[in-house]
Amino acid sequence: GAVVSQHPSRVICKSGTSVKIECRSLDFQATTMFWYRQFPKQSLMLMATSNEGSKATYEQGVEKDKFLINHASLTLSTLTVTSAHPEDSSFYICSASSFQGGEQYFGPGTRLTVT
Amino acid sequence: GQQVMQIPQYQHVQEGEDFTTYCNSSTTLSNIQWYKQRPGGHPVFLIQLVKSGEVKKQKRLTFQFGEAKKNSSLHITATQTTDVGTYFCALHRGNQFYFGTGTSLTVIP
Repeated sequence: GAVVSQHPSRVICKSGTSVKIECRSLDFQATTMFWYRQFPKQSLMLMATSNEGSKATYEQGVEKDKFLINHASLTLSTLTVTSAHPEDSSFYICSASSFQGGEQYFGPGTRLTVT
Repeated sequence: GQQVMQIPQYQHVQEGEDFTTYCNSSTTLSNIQWYKQRPGGHPVFLIQLVKSGEVKKQKRLTFQFGEAKKNSSLHITATQTTDVGTYFCALHRGNQFYFGTGTSLTVIP
């Protein structure tokens, strides 16, 4: 089946620094990737839809200047958490599909801890 | 909001008992997908339903799409400990992809 990788799997950073998370589709091209945030024992909250070659579409309440998304190619999307604060600590997970409306393949997620 | 409601939020069952989770939308859906997330893992696709009243089976799992395409259910017959995890329905709205609130299943051996 299709594989999506995410890097890093875990990151600890100090408050005020920025962290970049990469999401790659390894064996298919994805014009759209999704970024989610998941708190313990809760569902996945869609943060933004990453569109290759164009600006990301952010969900209401998600600060686009804080969560920078770049979809530079058909196999790579990055999420940068800028000026991270402890409240940004969470599990961030990406997904991609090989065609619109198809099943989503998820990366293994990134556990971000901001100290 | 963006999320689709699922009930129940949590379910504890004795191994061998059946389990059902329901997904309800206030709007008509073009299709619905179901995912399973094991503790510590990421969601894994189970199935997609497209047609009104559609019923699909995967071994002990039965998926149903309502006639009005506003609700869906996942039923597991004779649960096993390997069924433990959180089950999410998910759907496309425009270009976005949203998850239901999820049902966490615990199976007691």
